[in-house]
Amino acid sequence: NAGVTQTPKFQVLKTGQSMTLQCAQDMNHEYMSWYRQDPGMGLRLIHYSVGAGITDQGEVPNGYNVSRSTTEDFPLRLLSAAPSQTSVYFCASSPPSGTSGGAFTDTQYFGPGTRLTVL
Amino acid sequence: LAKTTQPISMDSYEGQEVNITCSHNNIATNDYITWYQQFPSQGPRFIIQGYKTKVTNEVASLFIPADRKSSTLSLPRVSLSDTAVYYCLVGPFPGGGNKLTFGTGTQLKVEL
Repeated sequence: NAGVTQTPKFQVLKTGQSMTLQCAQDMNHEYMSWYRQDPGMGLRLIHYSVGAGITDQGEVPNGYNVSRSTTEDFPLRLLSAAPSQTSVYFCASSPPSGTSGGAFTDTQYFGPGTRLTVL
Repeated sequence: LAKTTQPISMDSYEGQEVNITCSHNNIATNDYITWYQQFPSQGPRFIIQGYKTKVTNEVASLFIPADRKSSTLSLPRVSLSDTAVYYCLVGPFPGGGNKLTFGTGTQLKVEL
C-alpha cells in the first residue's frame, strides 16, 4: 500500500490563481480530512469527509472547496489564492471505526504534505 | 469541545524517561485521548490512544487517572530521534471529525 499520497509537494501561486491539491489513499478508509499548518502552529482542520459524497466544514473552511466522488480521492480546491493561504497542507485518512486487538482504534494516517506559497 | 493544555516545550537527555502531561478538564464521557508525533516537514504520526487507566504499546505508555481530566504520555529511554512535537488530542469515538483539535503541541528536544 502507498498509504496517503499528496501532490504536488511544492507549489507557488500568484494571488488570485486557483489550483487543486490532490490527495489519494489506497487503504479503503472511510474518513478523510484536510489540515493546514502554519509556522509554529498546530494543525487546523479545513474540511473533512466521512464517506464518498459526504463532506463537512472544519475549523477554517473559508477559501477552500472539497468534493468526495470516490472513496480513494479527496481533492482540495483553492478558488482564488491569497497570501494568507500560504501554509503546509496535510491530508489524512482514517479506517472504519472499530476495534483492533480488543481496543478501540481511531487512527488518522497523514500524507507527506504540500507546501504552498502564495505571492 | 474538550480543550487540551500541554507544556510548550521540554528538554531531555538520551536514555531518560520523558513524561508529557496533557490537561483536559472538560473531557466528555465518550471522548478518547490520542497522542500524535510530528517530525519537521512530515505529517503527524499516531503514537497511542486510550480511554482510561493505562495503555502500553511498543513505543509508549499512556496513563489516564480515574477522573480522566489529564493524561500522561510516557516515552521510555528516549533517543535523539525522539526529538519532535507531540500532540495530545481529545475527541469522541468514532471519527471525531471537526471535533479534533491539534493545538500547538509540546516540542521535545533530546540531547546527548
